[in-house]
Amino acid sequence: DQQVKQNSPSLSVQEGRISILNCDYTNSMFDYFLWYKKYPAEGPTFLISISSIKDKNEDGRFTVFLNKSAKHLSLHIVPSQPGDSAVYFCAASGQTNAGKSTFGDGTTLTVKP
Amino acid sequence: DSGVTQTPKHLITATGQRVTLRCSPRSGDLSVYWYQQSLDQGLQFLIQYYNGEERAKGNILERFSAQQFPDLHSELNLSSLELGDSALYFCASSVQGAHSGANVLTFGAGSRLTVL
Repeated sequence: DQQVKQNSPSLSVQEGRISILNCDYTNSMFDYFLWYKKYPAEGPTFLISISSIKDKNEDGRFTVFLNKSAKHLSLHIVPSQPGDSAVYFCAASGQTNAGKSTFGDGTTLTVKP
Repeated sequence: DSGVTQTPKHLITATGQRVTLRCSPRSGDLSVYWYQQSLDQGLQFLIQYYNGEERAKGNILERFSAQQFPDLHSELNLSSLELGDSALYFCASSVQGAHSGANVLTFGAGSRLTVL
């Protein structure tokens, strides 16, 4: 049972436009949701997180929205830049799992110049 | 450089063999996590250690084992290797063991294992 799902394996957007990456989860016990970015030949790096008690968190060009009733979160990147091209992983963690994070399969974002 | 060091970067071995992957966590981090990423798939959680003790276990095969040493470095041992064990193995570290606040993981660059 995959508790965190990213249903879009890939997304392509034009430079300067908005990128929206989506993530669904099934476990209502998750306390935090995180996004990581991964470039080839590197490990994932933390991007932004949101607590389950919030519905929005913003950090520069990156905003994460959480809809608890729908068990859905999304990452908005505005404006998108070619350097944002990477694999984006959605992850979730909670007190019931000792802080370990459960990851989705990732979405490959390509930002075209 | 994330501060998490994994060795070796690449490893090619044969079926039935045993390998050891090593991880040095970021300075000050007490928790170490191991994840497996098979081709084009997500990160599958294997096991977590906190300050030398096993804290959580995921889908780790019985042929795999891990430990965290007093200096906090960790090793992942993979034995009786099969073709399907070919994957990227990531180590990550964090300050926390028990959850309080968003538990941000710092990842190493991974160890790519190829089983022929």
